[in-house]
Amino acid sequence: VQLVESGGGLVQPGGSLRLSCSASGFTFNTYSMNWVRQAPGKGLEWVSFISRVPGTKYYADSVKGRFTISRDNAKDSLYLEMNNLRDDDTAVYYCARGSTWFDYWGQGTLVTVSS
Amino acid sequence: EIVLTQSPVTLSLSPGERATLSCRASQSVDSYLAWYQHKPGQAPRLLIYDASNRASGIPARFSGSGSGTDFTLTISSLEPEDFAVYYCQQRRDWPPLTFGGGTKVEI
Repeated sequence: VQLVESGGGLVQPGGSLRLSCSASGFTFNTYSMNWVRQAPGKGLEWVSFISRVPGTKYYADSVKGRFTISRDNAKDSLYLEMNNLRDDDTAVYYCARGSTWFDYWGQGTLVTVSS
Repeated sequence: EIVLTQSPVTLSLSPGERATLSCRASQSVDSYLAWYQHKPGQAPRLLIYDASNRASGIPARFSGSGSGTDFTLTISSLEPEDFAVYYCQQRRDWPPLTFGGGTKVEI
């Protein structure tokens, strides 16, 4: 099992960014997926969930209305579209496999929101 | 939202010693609690799920116990690779899925 995140970088407040997570080593379309983040010096924070067939999506209140989770099962890929980014969105973003327990995680991609 | 409080924040121990980490929930989570290990620059690793079940490949020195609001992760004899930050997480009432603030186990 391998999860590889990409798309992080430096963005100004109010800007947008799209994260990707490429999955391999398992049947992607049989697992729900999540995004979890860790701000500098802080703990883990769940961000968003998407079901196997993307009919169900959930978001943390802190990102609701600004972030959109999606997946492309044909490409074994998970995405996080982040709009109207704020300073406090600065974090390492991890994709994680599982519906409610996260049994595999990627190495993370760093998003820095700063002017 | 269920709040998870971990204690202590930092645990200073030596290799070979026993580590006892606590996680307390603001309301009952039944047995729907997991523990993760996280080392700097690495992906977090699932250790325990449903309070007491070891995840695949996790050594027997890691054990979890508890139910309701009080949970414990025990590392029976610390190995050098066990020095890390440990988080608990609940799935009893979600969204949101919530994590505790973490316990750092240091040498």
